[in-house]
Amino acid sequence: QQQVKQSPQSLIVQKGGISIINCAYENTAFDYFPWYQQFPGKGPALLIAIRPDVSEKKEGRFTISFNKSAKQFSLHIMDSQPGDSATYFCAALYGNNRKLIWGLGTSLAVNP
Amino acid sequence: SAVISQKPSRDICQRGTSLTIQCQVDSQVTMMFWYRQQPGQSLTLIATANQGSEATYESGFVIDKFPISRPNLTFSTLTVSNMSPEDSSIYLCSVEDLGVGTDTQYFGPGTRLTVL
Repeated sequence: QQQVKQSPQSLIVQKGGISIINCAYENTAFDYFPWYQQFPGKGPALLIAIRPDVSEKKEGRFTISFNKSAKQFSLHIMDSQPGDSATYFCAALYGNNRKLIWGLGTSLAVNP
Repeated sequence: SAVISQKPSRDICQRGTSLTIQCQVDSQVTMMFWYRQQPGQSLTLIATANQGSEATYESGFVIDKFPISRPNLTFSTLTVSNMSPEDSSIYLCSVEDLGVGTDTQYFGPGTRLTVL
């Protein structure tokens, strides 16, 4: 019940295409859903985040779509660029101690 | 956003020794977290460290193996004790930045540990 299931495990997209990564959760107590981007040798960096009272949030080329009834949320990267090649993690915030529950990650490769 | 630094950035250690990893933040933060990340894997929370209280450890992690100090609101250390090759991993600290919102966590660059 504390899991966040992320798919796909890896993704290859052509430059200019749309990258879509999906996550699903079970625990309705989660109240904050961030996406992190991680480059090799670096720590994860917060990319964009959403709360369950909002169905969509857009920041530049990055959009989160949130479906509360289906308990699913997804990251869309528009006009994907080779510089977007990284590992992406979805997460959900749990409990008063503010622990993040992490997806397993998606390795994105954007071909030039 | 908070700026977080970690020392060392990487180290190679011998089995049976201990390594202390430092995490420094450029602003005062209430909550600090220590994670472990195996190469190509997701993040696993080791413990939550709040200033002035004992660290709270996750299942599978114990204080004797991973002692944590949190002497003030900008600094924390994680020690990996009596290391074995299975401890080879990336260790990350993160903070919850109250200046941005209580739900935002920022990460340091990580410490890459190799145990021989």
